[in-house]
Amino acid sequence: ILNVEQSPQSLHVQEGDSTNFTCSFPSSNFYALHWYRWETAKSPEALFVMTLNGDEKKKGRISATLNTKEGYSYLYIKGSQPEDSATYLCAFWVMWETYKYIFGTGTRLKVLA
Amino acid sequence: DVKVTQSSRYLVKRTGEKVFLECVQDMDHENMFWYRQDPGLGLRLIYFSYDVKMKEKGDIPEGYSVSREKKERFSLILESASTNQTSMYLCASSLGLAGDTQYFGPGTRLTVL
Repeated sequence: ILNVEQSPQSLHVQEGDSTNFTCSFPSSNFYALHWYRWETAKSPEALFVMTLNGDEKKKGRISATLNTKEGYSYLYIKGSQPEDSATYLCAFWVMWETYKYIFGTGTRLKVLA
Repeated sequence: DVKVTQSSRYLVKRTGEKVFLECVQDMDHENMFWYRQDPGLGLRLIYFSYDVKMKEKGDIPEGYSVSREKKERFSLILESASTNQTSMYLCASSLGLAGDTQYFGPGTRLTVL
């Protein structure tokens, strides 16, 4: 069964705290992993596309790492701000008879001022 | 900026009606996608298209069909709408397939009575 798990499901942090979330996926037939940020009443916005084991990507205060051998990716937010409040989704592409693109259910982050 | 537009933000239809959801992108992207989003289930891929007149089933294609007659336009068709197709529908496009960012439209909230 192809499944993407994200943890935690939700969390609250104080402004200025750093935080991280996990995305776990089956490691075989991996093709690519995507991270998105989805704010309420808006469309999902792509953060990172990661394809290689050991990849590290950074965008401002947000960074991500990828371990395809063990099937996980971490998303880090340094010095969280209230505007970081959103649901963070990961999704992965796998070649499984045909291409499959599977989303996790997301981590809902609330940053308290 | 990439722009992905969807024909309606809100739509109310009756059971048994044929429903068309339209998506247009203006960046000459090869790939287009249709998703539905339901509480607790995350985003699920219905169909995607990697070229004009080409389509691939996603995870939940049952009850849906798609049409891509022009590169910029991807239509999702509910041949005979049912109440369990009440959902938020999101369209996306990308230049490449797995290795490229997807850009999402604003979504159509469909209610089937």
